[in-house]
Amino acid sequence: AQSVTQLGSHVSVSEGALVLLRCNYSSSVPPYLFWYVQYPNQGLQLLLKYTSAATLVKGINGFEAEFKKSETSFHLTKPSAHMSDAAEYFCAVRSKTGANNLFFGTGTRLTVIP
Amino acid sequence: DSGVTQTPKHLITATGQRVTLRCSPRSGDLSVYWYQQSLDQGLQFLIQYYNGEERAKGNILERFSAQQFPDLHSELNLSSLELGDSALYFCASSLGTGGEMNTEAFFGQGTRLTVV
Repeated sequence: AQSVTQLGSHVSVSEGALVLLRCNYSSSVPPYLFWYVQYPNQGLQLLLKYTSAATLVKGINGFEAEFKKSETSFHLTKPSAHMSDAAEYFCAVRSKTGANNLFFGTGTRLTVIP
Repeated sequence: DSGVTQTPKHLITATGQRVTLRCSPRSGDLSVYWYQQSLDQGLQFLIQYYNGEERAKGNILERFSAQQFPDLHSELNLSSLELGDSALYFCASSLGTGGEMNTEAFFGQGTRLTVV
């Protein structure tokens, strides 16, 4: 069965500091991986996705993530946090076979301190 | 705007009642997913439909059911409602035909259900 684990339900960074949100997946075959962002009272919006092309994936709003098969990880980073980055971030995994369902991690709430 | 439309945006109802949540997927998307988001359970997958047929089932209670119609819109029916069913219910859609370019799901704004 597939799953994702997000380490840290809450992360706080200072404005301008590096953002690092962690995600590890569990799957026998490298899956498709996604990061979504949810702003207050809104739906989830896709930040970026990994589909087995380049291992370093660039997304919207300056975010990027690197797929590391040896570590089964897909951590999300941004060099310099902005106040507008404060939101909840979800890592998700989808199998390349089967029902094509998306499984989400429990989410990480990012707080940006001025 | 994701292109996924959910109605209503807010719903307040009493315990024991039944409600129907509606989702219109993005144009051309064949797969529809329903998720429940609550403070204590996080984002939980409920059920997936693909082109009118149930494709996958998650943590969906027996009191809940869903269907996808020939025009591809979907409805989630919640019955015998309990206080604990209060949550944000999201619908998402994707093309669903596989392939690396069509893997992501697009989410609606959600329906906030409050059971009193």
